[in-house]
Amino acid sequence: EAQVTQNPRYLITVTGKKLTVTCSQNMNHEYMSWYRQDPGLGLRQIYYSMNVEVTDKGDVPEGYKVSRKEKRNFPLILESPSPNQTSLYFCASSPMTGLTGELFFGEGSRLTVL
Amino acid sequence: GEDVEQSLFLSVREGDSSVINCTYTDSSSTYLYWYKQEPGAGLQLLTYIFSNMDMKQDQRLTVLLNKKDKHLSLRIADTQTGDSAIYFCAAITGGGNKLTFGTGTQLKVEL
Repeated sequence: EAQVTQNPRYLITVTGKKLTVTCSQNMNHEYMSWYRQDPGLGLRQIYYSMNVEVTDKGDVPEGYKVSRKEKRNFPLILESPSPNQTSLYFCASSPMTGLTGELFFGEGSRLTVL
Repeated sequence: GEDVEQSLFLSVREGDSSVINCTYTDSSSTYLYWYKQEPGAGLQLLTYIFSNMDMKQDQRLTVLLNKKDKHLSLRIADTQTGDSAIYFCAAITGGGNKLTFGTGTQLKVEL
């Protein structure tokens, strides 16, 4: 089944404890992206990648890192999480490097930073 | 920067039509999308429209695009309780590398 898989789905952590949210897609998509969803703010892009070893900042990249060593994986790294990073995170992928196609979303990862 | 705006809430009665509105600022947006998010789930593409089109119809869904006013709307005919969800408008921005989302409109369908 074609899908975007994120892990963990739910996580409660403490300030400063490094964590990684993994994202994997099995559709051989070029483009991958991370978004965070906050009430009243919609989805805001954190980072995106148009291909292996090609990443770029979105609108809210501060406090996050990403890597794209393989086509299928695009992990989101929070080196030193803070409470303002409490949010619902979505990974998405698309078959095109330029966005002319559908974005396929994972089911989301709800992160709470205490 | 590029901006996409929507109203936050809409409430309709079952069987009525729903109209969800969206405005965007990037006049170079080539594609405009409507995504649906059901509770506890990710977003799923509902429909999209290319910028050289005025209207697109797909079963109960009608998308209208006014490119001059940078206004996009989604009409859902015969709205059902299963249509209750958050609807996001999105526009291609950043020269085609980014998809900018609106704040989302929470649609509530009442019996």
